[in-house]
Amino acid sequence: EAQVTQNPRYLITVTGKKLTVTCSQNMNHEYMSWYRQDPGLGLRQIYYSMNVEVTDKGDVPEGYKVSRKEKRNFPLILESPSPNQTSLYFCASGGRQGPSYYGYTFGSGTRLTVV
Amino acid sequence: GQQLNQSPQSMFIQEGEDVSMNCTSSSIFNTWLWYKQDPGEGPVLLIALYKAGELTSNGRLTAQFGITRKDSFLNISASIPSDVGIYFCAGRTGNQFYFGTGTSLTVIP
Repeated sequence: EAQVTQNPRYLITVTGKKLTVTCSQNMNHEYMSWYRQDPGLGLRQIYYSMNVEVTDKGDVPEGYKVSRKEKRNFPLILESPSPNQTSLYFCASGGRQGPSYYGYTFGSGTRLTVV
Repeated sequence: GQQLNQSPQSMFIQEGEDVSMNCTSSSIFNTWLWYKQDPGEGPVLLIALYKAGELTSNGRLTAQFGITRKDSFLNISASIPSDVGIYFCAGRTGNQFYFGTGTSLTVIP
């Protein structure tokens, strides 16, 4: 089954304790991205990656890091989490056919609480 | 970042009614996408539009890519209870996708 898998689904952590949220896709997609979703603000892009070893900042990259060492994996790293990073996080991947992009496929989300 | 204005913010309709929602932007987009999100889940792609003026249907759903490339609409015909959820538009420019703030749809049986 074609899917984007995020782990963990739920995470409660303390301020300053480094954490990683993993994301893996099995569709051989070039494009992967991380979003955070907050009430009233919709989905905001954190980072995206066009392919292996190619990453770019989205709209809200501060406090986050990513890496793309393999095509299928795109982990999100919070080196020193703070309470304002409490949010619902989504990973997404997308492929390309000629000049057109496929629509994204989203993971099921990771609800992060930083206390 | 880019601002997508999605309206209405919420809708309460009777089962069987048709629904219309739209998304506008001050910028031109190359792709418009419509997603539905159920509680506790990630958004699921409903319709993708790649050309200005394109009109695409997916069952009871119809979406159009505006001629100006700055807007898109989504129509749902003959709504049913399982249409309940939050609907998001998204636009692509370059390599980035931007999302609207969503339309919350409630269908009253």
